[in-house]
Amino acid sequence: KAGVTQTPRYLIKTRGQQVTLSCSPISGHRSVSWYQQTPGQGLQFLFEYFSETQRNKGNFPGRFSGRQFSNSRSEMNVSTLELGDSALYLCASSRETPSRDTQYFGPGTRLTVL
Amino acid sequence: GNSVTQMEGPVTLSEEAFLTINCTYTATGYPSLFWYVQYPGEGLQLLLKATKADDKGSNKGFEATYRKETTSFHLEKGSVQVSDSAVYFCALSGFQGAQKLVFGQGTRLTINP
Repeated sequence: KAGVTQTPRYLIKTRGQQVTLSCSPISGHRSVSWYQQTPGQGLQFLFEYFSETQRNKGNFPGRFSGRQFSNSRSEMNVSTLELGDSALYLCASSRETPSRDTQYFGPGTRLTVL
Repeated sequence: GNSVTQMEGPVTLSEEAFLTINCTYTATGYPSLFWYVQYPGEGLQLLLKATKADDKGSNKGFEATYRKETTSFHLEKGSVQVSDSAVYFCALSGFQGAQKLVFGQGTRLTINP
């Protein structure tokens, strides 16, 4: 069974631009979560989607948004990029609820903001 | 609040040494506990998990036991290899139905031949 895939793997943007990252979950998984990983803050939860609905959101500004499609694929968008948005963005999927099911992670998208 | 505290790194060991990485947690209810590993340039891989008190998770020679009385989930391996060099993250989920993982800060492990 194929794992979680994320595209692109690397991105370089400049301040003020916007970016869209994509995540395809493991087949049959309906929940998709996004995390931001930085050296200073570690791994922080962004949001979680299940059946096209956002069920949970972390403490990030409104510039960070996401959505989930009917095939469970998910995208996250960051508008008006700031230097501090440079990070590894990780997507994880689980069958049902992440509160009990194991989350499986993709390889991540490394975003660099110049 | 809900949190995970891991042993500070970096940790450097020689091949075949015994490994312990400490992890303690604070959470309401009965969380599930996980260890994830991150190799250079990659995402997180699930190493092992435990979903209730006294459960022992194990995989690839690594073990961790869910100790509710000490709120701990320490990772151990009897004989480490160079290929175990990576960053290890302890995490919890399932507290109060929260739909997310809460991670420790990670412990970087380097094994020298």
